[in-house]
Formats: sequence, structure tokens, C-alpha cells
Amino acid sequence: GNSVTQMEGPVTLSEEAFLTINCTYTATGYPSLFWYVQYPGEGLQLLLKATKADDKGSNKGFEATYRKETTSFHLEKGSVQVSDSAVYFCALSESKGAGNQFYFGTGTSLTVIP
Amino acid sequence: SAVISQKPSRDICQRGTSLTIQCQVDSQVTMMFWYRQQPGQSLTLIATANQGSEATYESGFVIDKFPISRPNLTFSTLTVSNMSPEDSSIYLCSVGDRVSEQYFGPGTRLTVT
Repeated sequence: GNSVTQMEGPVTLSEEAFLTINCTYTATGYPSLFWYVQYPGEGLQLLLKATKADDKGSNKGFEATYRKETTSFHLEKGSVQVSDSAVYFCALSESKGAGNQFYFGTGTSLTVIP
Repeated sequence: SAVISQKPSRDICQRGTSLTIQCQVDSQVTMMFWYRQQPGQSLTLIATANQGSEATYESGFVIDKFPISRPNLTFSTLTVSNMSPEDSSIYLCSVGDRVSEQYFGPGTRLTVT
């Protein structure tokens, strides 16, 4: 079956530090991969996505590359800011009927301190 | 993209009562999804709601506890019935489009006392 395994948190970093949040997946087909972010008190927002192997998704300084050989989609940012403090969810989707079914990781809480 | 609103945004309910959560989308969509996010945990899919047919429930979730309505292509409701403190969660609706992106509502934060 499909599943997503995500690095456990919480993660605490100083401002301008380098961020990596690991994500690996198991899928039966050819999924699309996503990172969602949830800021305190808000719903999930799409941060970035990649729909096929070797694609790189990027947004707001965050990047993740779809690695089929290692079944990974690690999230990176070169210099985090306090405003990046949030919970980050890795997810995959596969086609299910007329839509897609999503599978989420357990989330990684990030706190960036000044 | 899709803009999704949910009502109520939060509620505190007594054990044994029921709460109906509404989800409104600004465009017509085929499939809508209902998730539960328990404190400190990831999202768990409750059911998929298709317009004009019965909702499809995931393992561990049943229609008697979580009845869903989908009267048209822009609206759905989820009812949490006979609530207990274990039902305290954030409930999220979402929609997915054909290019595999999913959009989430802001969530309904439910506390059962």
C-alpha cells in the first residue's frame, strides 16, 4: 500500500540556519509528491509539489526533489526565518476514480528562534 | 485553484450531542474529502463524498457516526454524531483537481467536553 514516512520533530533552528526535513514514501504506482505547511491556527496550504521523477518543486525558498531511486522527497531551505515556524506535512497522491487520494506523513513541527 | 470555507471554525460541544460541519467550495468539484486531524497527529481520511452517490468511508469510520451529505457540486456536510471526548479534533474538508493538487479548508476545531 501507499504510505509516507516523515522525519519526526519537533525541530528547533536558529534564524538563517539550514533546514532539511526528510520524507520517504512507498507507493504502488507513480505518485505525485507534495509538501504542505500548516501555520498556527490555520489550515493546510500547499507549499510545493512534484509530479514525476527528478522534478524539483520550489516555493518561498523551499525546495524538494522527487527521487524515485531513493523514494524520497526531502524538504530543504537554505536560510530559515522566524515566519517559517509551522508544521510541515509530506504527502503523496495517486489517482482514485475521478480524483486523487492523498496519504500524509505525521508532520514535522518547526520552530525558528531569532 | 479552489477557495474553501468551513463553518463553524470552532465549537465546544457536550458529550452525546452532534455537530454538523459545513464545507463550501467556490467552484464545482467532483470529489470532496473529509479528514480528521487529532491533536499532534497527521491527517486521517474519513470519507470521500461524491455528488449524487453515497460517501465512501475509510476503514475505522462508519456512516452512523459520521454521516455525510453532498447535495450539489459545491457543498458538503459532515456530522459528528453522539460525540465523545475522543472526537475532539480538527476536521478538514478538501477538494482535489485533475492535476492532483488538493486544496484544504481552514478546518473546524472541535472540543468535546
